[in-house]
Amino acid sequence: QVQLQESGPGLVKPSQTLSLTCTVSGGSISSGGYYWSWIRQHPGKGLEWIGYIYYSGSTYYNPSLKSRVTISVDTSKNQFSLKLSSVTAADTAVYYCARSPLATVVTPEFSFDIWGQGTMVTVSS
Amino acid sequence: QSALTQPRSVSGSPGQSVTISCTGTSSDVGGYNYVSWYQQHPGKAPKLMIYDVSKRPSGVPDRFSGSKSGNTASLTISGLQAEDEADYYCCSYAGSYNVVFGGGTKLTVL
Repeated sequence: QVQLQESGPGLVKPSQTLSLTCTVSGGSISSGGYYWSWIRQHPGKGLEWIGYIYYSGSTYYNPSLKSRVTISVDTSKNQFSLKLSSVTAADTAVYYCARSPLATVVTPEFSFDIWGQGTMVTVSS
Repeated sequence: QSALTQPRSVSGSPGQSVTISCTGTSSDVGGYNYVSWYQQHPGKAPKLMIYDVSKRPSGVPDRFSGSKSGNTASLTISGLQAEDEADYYCCSYAGSYNVVFGGGTKLTVL
């Protein structure tokens, strides 16, 4: 079955760029059929959607984070990545990668059926 | 976009039914049939329980059901079991490929 695994530094300094990678196993990103997302959860708080990417490279971002977020895909490595620039303590969170099946030829289900285990990222000097 | 509104906590005894509400606006919950619900146990990743308002993924017990009326969606858990104790989050499409989550509800099984 498809599994997702996040990886990246657990500690990032303020003003720097947070970079995470999600490795997909048990299925191919390039086969299409799914959108791939990043979602975060601040400590003790709710979930916040960060953005989607399709294997073709089409991206959609949360308007509140759009100016700082870049999501990219590397189909050769079966991975997709998150970059969040100019981080502050407010970006400290558990970051999850997740999968959304297609609802139509071009749109996702807007729900997330498979999640990675999550990775904690702390922003601190 | 604002977070969807959920009660902070609900509780019920084993065997009972509980309903968790999720209130949004006509721009999200009320405007689309793309409401989903997630169960999250402490220290674990969320798990999809309901999608498209009322559909259950394979493997989710039929004790879990979803519905929507106007700008409010609901998750009902019947025949409450101890393992249902968890945090529950609703999620809705909000247009332009945007997605918004609720603040979460802690379910306690008494």
